Amino acid sequence: KNEVEQSPQNLTAQEGEFITINCSYSVGISALHWLQQHPGGGIVSLFMLSSGKKKHGRLIATINIQEKHSSLHITASHPRDSAVYICAVPHPQGAQKLVFGQGTRLTINP
Amino acid sequence: DVKVTQSSRYLVKRTGEKVFLECVQDMDHENMFWYRQDPGLGLRLIYFSYDVKMKEKGDIPEGYSVSREKKERFSLILESASTNQTSMYLCASSAWGGLYGYTFGSGTRLTVV
Repeated sequence: KNEVEQSPQNLTAQEGEFITINCSYSVGISALHWLQQHPGGGIVSLFMLSSGKKKHGRLIATINIQEKHSSLHITASHPRDSAVYICAVPHPQGAQKLVFGQGTRLTINP
Repeated sequence: DVKVTQSSRYLVKRTGEKVFLECVQDMDHENMFWYRQDPGLGLRLIYFSYDVKMKEKGDIPEGYSVSREKKERFSLILESASTNQTSMYLCASSAWGGLYGYTFGSGTRLTVV
């Protein structure tokens, strides 16, 4: 099984701060997913990336395949960014299945 | 807007009841998944289906079964609900190979009393 570790588990910041959430995995992968889950809500797919960097609005995701590491950055953070952020990688026994990190709970205070 | 729809957001059932959780997707996706999410444990795969009538056990299938009679619908069945099955249940779908991203439903919070 691919072990996925996220850090930090909890993060509290002030509005406007630059946020970084990290994800490390143990087995080589074809792509990595970043997901967002708001309180009580479903999960939204933010990014799927296999190399380099992707940007969507204030969100930036990077991946280093050699180091088996990915980061999710949020610029100019806002209270509406408060959510749980989850990284996920394909299961070694079937890329259709995902193995999830435990999530990072982000709270942005006004 | 493409969607994965779960039939209930909140459900309360009694111990021993047979419980059906329904999931429907409108994207013609081959793959469908049922996960449960618990604090401190993250998302864990219960069952996976890659085609109609095809299913594969995930990491925690005990106490659950599934049915996929039509491509768009994937049902999770708790044969005899127990209190340790109280959890958030999430359905997801993806196109073949999972290389084009996943779409998740809004989740069903099941409480077994």
